Amino acid sequence: AQKITQTQPGMFVQEKEAVTLDCTYDTSDPSYGLFWYKQPSSGEMIFLIYQGSYDQQNATEGRYSLNFQKARKSANLVISASQLGDSAMYFCATYTNAGKSTFGDGTTLTVKP
Amino acid sequence: EAGVVQSPRYKIIEKKQPVAFWCNPISGHNTLYWYRQNLGQGPELLIRYENEEAVDDSQLPKDRFSAERLKGVDSTLKIQPAELGDSAVYLCASSGRQGSNSPLHFGNGTRLTVT
Repeated sequence: AQKITQTQPGMFVQEKEAVTLDCTYDTSDPSYGLFWYKQPSSGEMIFLIYQGSYDQQNATEGRYSLNFQKARKSANLVISASQLGDSAMYFCATYTNAGKSTFGDGTTLTVKP
Repeated sequence: EAGVVQSPRYKIIEKKQPVAFWCNPISGHNTLYWYRQNLGQGPELLIRYENEEAVDDSQLPKDRFSAERLKGVDSTLKIQPAELGDSAVYLCASSGRQGSNSPLHFGNGTRLTVT
């Protein structure tokens, strides 16, 4: 069975500063993907960034980067230069080649002006 | 491209009543998922389709929940009869290819309230 742990129920960050959202995972599959999604108050889940289990380099997408530490089974999301529009719920998820998907319980990020 | 479309957006019913949710995935996406999201939690998979075949329905409470994707395109999720504990947001998602590197594209969800 897979498990995702997001230990920060809520986080605050000052506008224009960077913030790290933690995610640890547990899976027995040798090949898997790690994803981060953003869910604003409107409810839609928005894909942010992907990291493959065999990727050697950390993924980056604009202001988002993923700090992937395979041995520690962690996949933290780093948001640089936070904006007010970044205030939302953030979910970490794994997906295996067998089609199993597991989501964490999320971290609520609030960006302060 | 058009995104994943779900309807209705909101639904309020009394317990023991039936309810149905509809989802139209992104055109060409063969894989379709139904998730349930309780307040303050992450989505939990109910069922996954590859084309018209339900390949993972292990988490679907089959005594009251059913789903279909007859032509491998749009899908319907039904609850009959609904219970108070079914109040949640029901999310539909699709992906364009199999494999662990394929992100999910979600609809806006249906918020169900059972009174």
